[in-house]
Amino acid sequence: KQEVTQIPAALSVPEGENLVLNCSFTDSAIYNLQWFRQDPGKGLTSLLLIQSSQREQTSGRLNASLDKSSGRSTLYIAASQPGDSATYLCAVRGIKAAGNKLTFGGGTRVLVKP
Amino acid sequence: DGGITQSPKYLFRKEGQNVTLSCEQNLNHDAMYWYRQDPGQGLRLIYYSQIVNDFQKGDIAEGYSVSREKKESFPLTVTSAQKNPTAFYLCASSVQGANTEAFFGQGTRLTVV
Repeated sequence: KQEVTQIPAALSVPEGENLVLNCSFTDSAIYNLQWFRQDPGKGLTSLLLIQSSQREQTSGRLNASLDKSSGRSTLYIAASQPGDSATYLCAVRGIKAAGNKLTFGGGTRVLVKP
Repeated sequence: DGGITQSPKYLFRKEGQNVTLSCEQNLNHDAMYWYRQDPGQGLRLIYYSQIVNDFQKGDIAEGYSVSREKKESFPLTVTSAQKNPTAFYLCASSVQGANTEAFFGQGTRLTVV
């Protein structure tokens, strides 16, 4: 059974510092991995999608890497801003998962202090 | 604008009552999903549908029911058999297939009163 873990559960950094968020998964047989952002009381906003054949994906200040063999992905957010404060979730779409469902980690709650 | 619309944003249920959460998408996606989010537990899959008139149970389907009569609509009913329904419910959709991106609605917060 696929399990996804995000450590730490919470992170606080001063504005301008780079953010490094970790995601690990137990079964490397995946189609892709997706990073989401969730603001309090809101839905999920897709940030980046990395296919299993890719090593990284970039969008603006965001960069996500994927090491499928070791079951790890890292989301980097450069030059953090207070507006980056949110919960970040990663999810994998496993090859063995029924219905192509996503398996989620518990999220990392980020606070960027001005 | 293309997207997924969930309604209502807040819903209150009395003991023994069934309630229905709405999910509508205009992205022309075949696959739709319902997830439940509880504090500290991440998202768990309730039901999913990959095509009209077909749906499958997810990991925590007990006490829930769904229908998929139209491609754009996937309503979720929380029945009285669901003993702990207070949670945040999220609907998602994606293009059919494995290498696809999932998109989510803004969620419905259900509270038992």
